[in-house]
Parts: sequence; structure tokens; C-alpha cells
Amino acid sequence: AQSVAQPEDQVNVAEGNPLTVKCTYSVSGNPYLFWYVQYPNRGLQFLLKYITGDNLVKGSYGFEAEFNKSQTSFHLKKPSALVSDSALYFCAVRDIEGTYKYIFGTGTRLKVLA
Amino acid sequence: NAGVTQTPKFQVLKTGQSMTLQCAQDMNHNSMYWYRQDPGMGLRLIYYSASEGTTDKGEVPNGYNVSRLNKREFSLRLESAAPSQTSVYFCASINLLEETQYFGPGTRLLVL
Repeated sequence: AQSVAQPEDQVNVAEGNPLTVKCTYSVSGNPYLFWYVQYPNRGLQFLLKYITGDNLVKGSYGFEAEFNKSQTSFHLKKPSALVSDSALYFCAVRDIEGTYKYIFGTGTRLKVLA
Repeated sequence: NAGVTQTPKFQVLKTGQSMTLQCAQDMNHNSMYWYRQDPGMGLRLIYYSASEGTTDKGEVPNGYNVSRLNKREFSLRLESAAPSQTSVYFCASINLLEETQYFGPGTRLLVL
């Protein structure tokens, strides 16, 4: 079965510093990978996805993610963190190819300190 | 466009009571989903509907039923609520061409 793991419950970073939120995956077949963000008391919002093509994917709000097939990772990155980036981030993978079911990770809380 | 709407926003139930969570989307999406979010567990899929007239179980379907009333609406029913169903419930729909899920604002459910 497909799965994703987010090894860090929380990541703290100083404003202006680069940030990385980690995600590893396990899939059979080609991976369809996603990042979503959840701000307090809100639903999730789509950030970016990897389906095929370039390993570096750019998304909303200056975020990007790097697909690494050999390490089965899809880490979320941003060159310069903002306090407003503080939120809960979820990595997700599409389940069995041909279906539109998605498996979400447990989430990583990002805290950007002023 | 309102996107994905959910009602109610908050509900308190006693054990054994029933209720229906409503979800509607105005984006003409074919597929819709119900998730629950619990601390440390992330989002877990309860049921989904790939298209109007079809529904399938997700990871945690026990204790729930769903109805895809039409293309716009997908409801989740708890027939006999249990404290273990205390959670935040999210409905989502998907743009299949973009493979992007759009989420509602959530329903916070407390079962006493």
C-alpha cells in the first residue's frame, strides 16, 4: 500500500532563514505527490504537486519541493521563511494508480520565529 | 464561487445520537471526499465518491454512512455517535484535470 511519512512533528526556523519540511514516501508505480497547508481553524489548501517532469516543483507562496526518486523523498522548501508561513503542512500521495484516493501524512507544524 | 461549504461548523452530540454532516461544492467536480482529522493522526479518509451515484470506503469507514445526493452534495451520517468519533471532519472535492483537492472549512464534532 502507498504511504507517506513526515518524520518531524514540529519544525522551528527563524524568519529569513531557509526552511525544509521533510516527507518520504512508499509507492508501487509512479508517485503522485502533493503538499497541502492548513492555517489555524481552516481547511487545507493546495501548495504544489509532482506528477512527472522536473524534479524541482514550484508552488504557491514561494514554496518549492524536490522530488528525489533514489531517496524516495519529496521535501518542501522555501529560501526565506516568513512568520506568516507558520502553519500545519501535510504531504500526501495518491493511492493505487487509477484511483483518486489520497493518503496523507501526519502533518508537520512549522513555526517561524520573528 | 463559494467553493466547498460544510454545515454545521460545530456540533455537540451525546453518545448514541445521530446526525448528518452536509457538504456541497459549486465547482462541478466529479469526485468528493470525507476525511477526519485527529491530533497526531493527520487526515484519514472515511469515504469518497468518485462520481455521482458511486461511493467507496476509505481507511476508517466504520460507524459512518454516506450519500452522494447529486453532483454537488455529499453527506456523511453518524447513525449512533461514539466518543471515538470526536474529531474535525473535512469535506473535499477534486479537479481531476489539475489533480487538486479543494477543502471545506471543517466541522468540529464533540461526542460526549
